[in-house]
Amino acid sequence: QKEVEQNSGPLSVPEGAIASLNCTYSDRVSQSFFWYRQYSGKSPELIMSIYSNGDKEDGRFTAQLNKASQYVSLLIRDSQPSDSATYLCAVFTSGTYKYIFGTGTRLKVLA
Amino acid sequence: GAVVSQHPSRVICKSGTSVKIECRSLDFQATTMFWYRQFPKQSLMLMATSNEGSKATYEQGVEKDKFLINHASLTLSTLTVTSAHPEDSSFYICSAPKQGAVYEQYFGPGTRLTVT
Repeated sequence: QKEVEQNSGPLSVPEGAIASLNCTYSDRVSQSFFWYRQYSGKSPELIMSIYSNGDKEDGRFTAQLNKASQYVSLLIRDSQPSDSATYLCAVFTSGTYKYIFGTGTRLKVLA
Repeated sequence: GAVVSQHPSRVICKSGTSVKIECRSLDFQATTMFWYRQFPKQSLMLMATSNEGSKATYEQGVEKDKFLINHASLTLSTLTVTSAHPEDSSFYICSAPKQGAVYEQYFGPGTRLTVT
């Protein structure tokens, strides 16, 4: 089992719709969880971080964390073509000081 | 957020030469920085963890004598690719975690290395 799993996609959604991206992780002691957006040929950009169970909202983005289920998700409301990118889920454990990345989900927002 | 810079953004070098890439945290101190490599359409691959004032920790399969890392200050880490070969051509990205409750990690813009 991979440490951080994401569906590779592509996930296609129409413009204006909600895009839902999911990630599961295997290490129960993981403490912080991150979503990065990576455009083709560019480096990853941090868009959300979360470390408490529940929802965290920032503009059109909402991160959801469920530690009991070892599951973290990202919702993008009112999706725009400019949101088309690969979204990376990352998990941090302070004991090992390691960030483990998923392989990413490619999102396509169709105009 | 936080800002991490990387220089150069692109470099082309001849096979057998060495290339140095600099990574700087501009608005925070970073005792640790990470170096990643990414091939086209592939995932990020962690190469090494750079620690200020001590030796870097390399991931399995990464040659420490080929990829020299120096973390001389709290804001600067360098990666030197020695005796570069065409198979070293890749996108090299550094990152720095900003210490706090969440340990958010910020990436530099990356360096595209082409070895001819």
